[in-house]
Amino acid sequence: DAGVTQSPTHLIKTRGQQVTLRCSPKSGHDTVSWYQQALGQGPQFIFQYYEEEERQRGNFPDRFSGHQFPNYSSELNVNALLLGDSALYLCASSLVGNTIYFGEGSWLTVV
Amino acid sequence: KNEVEQSPQNLTAQEGEFITINCSYSVGISALHWLQQHPGGGIVSLFMLSSGKKKHGRLIATINIQEKHSSLHITASHPRDSAVYICAVTGTASKLTFGTGTRLQVTL
Repeated sequence: DAGVTQSPTHLIKTRGQQVTLRCSPKSGHDTVSWYQQALGQGPQFIFQYYEEEERQRGNFPDRFSGHQFPNYSSELNVNALLLGDSALYLCASSLVGNTIYFGEGSWLTVV
Repeated sequence: KNEVEQSPQNLTAQEGEFITINCSYSVGISALHWLQQHPGGGIVSLFMLSSGKKKHGRLIATINIQEKHSSLHITASHPRDSAVYICAVTGTASKLTFGTGTRLQVTL
């Protein structure tokens, strides 16, 4: 059983560009959350999707948007990239009240 | 003040030592999680606790709900235990709020 898979693992973008990161949750998990982890910092909650709707959102600007598909996979989109968006983006999946599983993350560098 | 505080921030131990990492939180929670993150970035969930104590191999996690405090213990530490250990909590909603992590280095 594959756990949480994320793609791409590494990418480099230029300021002002847009990026899409993808996440496939662990089999059977219906809830997907996205986190941003800057170098040397703890992860920060971006948003959470459940049943194809954004259920919760952290303190991130509207440049950060997402989507969940009927198969529970999810995308994170970031528009108008800034240098400060350079970070590890982590996807986590779960069933409510159960252990949370994390992907390996997508390393985004904005130059 | 962060909602989740960990101590120490950095910890160096010799192989075989007993290690304790502490976590205090200031919000109501439904569960507390201990996570392990290696330099490559991926995070592994070690424990999810809502009360009492859990043990898995050489790892033990305890939580005191009244005192809003949890500890992670590693017995007979080994260099492969070297990682960042993160305490995180879930409140009434299911998003995680993370502590800043404890960087553990176990030497031979």
